[in-house]
Parts: sequence; structure tokens; C-alpha cells
Amino acid sequence: GAGVSQSPSNKVTEKGKDVELRCDPISGHTALYWYRQSLGQGLEFLIYFQGNSAPDKSGLPSDRFSAERTGGSVSTLTIQRTQQEDSAVYLCASSLGRDGYGYTFGSGTRLTVV
Amino acid sequence: QQPVQSPQAVILREGEDAVINCSSSKALYSVHWYRQKHGEAPVFLMILLKGGEQKGHEKISASFNEKKQQSSLYLTASQLSYSGTYFCVEDSGGSNYKLTFGKGTLLTVNP
Repeated sequence: GAGVSQSPSNKVTEKGKDVELRCDPISGHTALYWYRQSLGQGLEFLIYFQGNSAPDKSGLPSDRFSAERTGGSVSTLTIQRTQQEDSAVYLCASSLGRDGYGYTFGSGTRLTVV
Repeated sequence: QQPVQSPQAVILREGEDAVINCSSSKALYSVHWYRQKHGEAPVFLMILLKGGEQKGHEKISASFNEKKQQSSLYLTASQLSYSGTYFCVEDSGGSNYKLTFGKGTLLTVNP
């Protein structure tokens, strides 16, 4: 598609429930990233996918967080047993790679855990 | 560790200039700059590569001092549309193209 698409745009869930966030990157972008942004804060790296390589999961805050990328395209970020501190905007970005290419971000999913 | 930006916030009148500085504690492959408006996603402005090459926005310029691991973003003749939070972002190289964002500089341009 023309841009990075994320769904849902807003999600309110009860504490303890599982949630799935979806990201559809720009066609042809081999790199896909998930970041988290809490209110008024910068972006916190979560996970990075590049082609068929093993993902870099070094930013995942706990084992309740997982992500997969199917067919080198769509990615799903899953948060199990959600906690109130998980409330944030979850941003997905894709890129063609280094050497002159920045990230293109989606509009994000605003997650609120009540 | 994340890059350190200064100032944290700046208020300008339309037409004034501003400089945002960014300092890193590690050797960098490149520095990026992004702008985020309230309630929106960050938007890529510019990348500065080792060796001096720049790619990005026509009306915004930046510098990258590799030895000092510092970058500066220059906003000249500011417009109302320049308002937003500017993030300096570092790529320290390596096998993963993973960017680390600074905390941001809030720029407000008033009429």
C-alpha cells in the first residue's frame, strides 16, 4: 500500500486480557519495527524484523510481549495478560534499509488498559 | 543509552530561526531527524551519513560532526507548520538497522 497501516487505531481492554495489534508495512519494505510511546515520552524500541532473519527482540519489556511477521509482510504484536503500564501508543514502522532511507511510521494503535 | 537533545523546548515567533542540538555517547553510522506533531506519527525529515552525505528535507538543514558524535538541526525562517516535537535518532551501525530515539525537543512557533 501507499503507507504503513495499523489496526485497530484505538483499543480499550480490561486488565488481564490479551490483545493483538496489526501492522501492514509498505510493499517492498523488508525491515519492520515496533516502537512504544507513552504519553509525552520518546519512542521505546520493542522489536525489529529484517527479511527472513531472526528478529531482534531485545526491546521487548517482558515475556508477555511477542510478535511475528508472516510472509515477510504483515506483523502482529501480541500482549498477553495486559497490565495498566502497557497503556501507550504502539507504533509500527517500515524501511527499505540503511544508507539513505528513514523509517515510515504508521498512525499507531492507542492501547488503554483499564 | 539514548542521544541527548538540547534544548528540551523552544518557543519562536514566525520567521525566527532555531537550532536543535544532539549529542551521542557512542560512535555513529548515521543520525536521523524526525518531527512529530501532536497526535500524529513521527515523520522522517533527514538522514546524515558518515562521510557527510545528507538526504532529506529541502527547507531544513543539519550538520553531523562524526568525531564529536554531535548533530545539529537548523530551522530557518520558521513557519507555523514547523511546530512539533523534533527527535534526534541515532544508528550506531552493526548488523541491525535499529534506531534509538532521543527524548525530543518541543518546538512551538507562534504568529
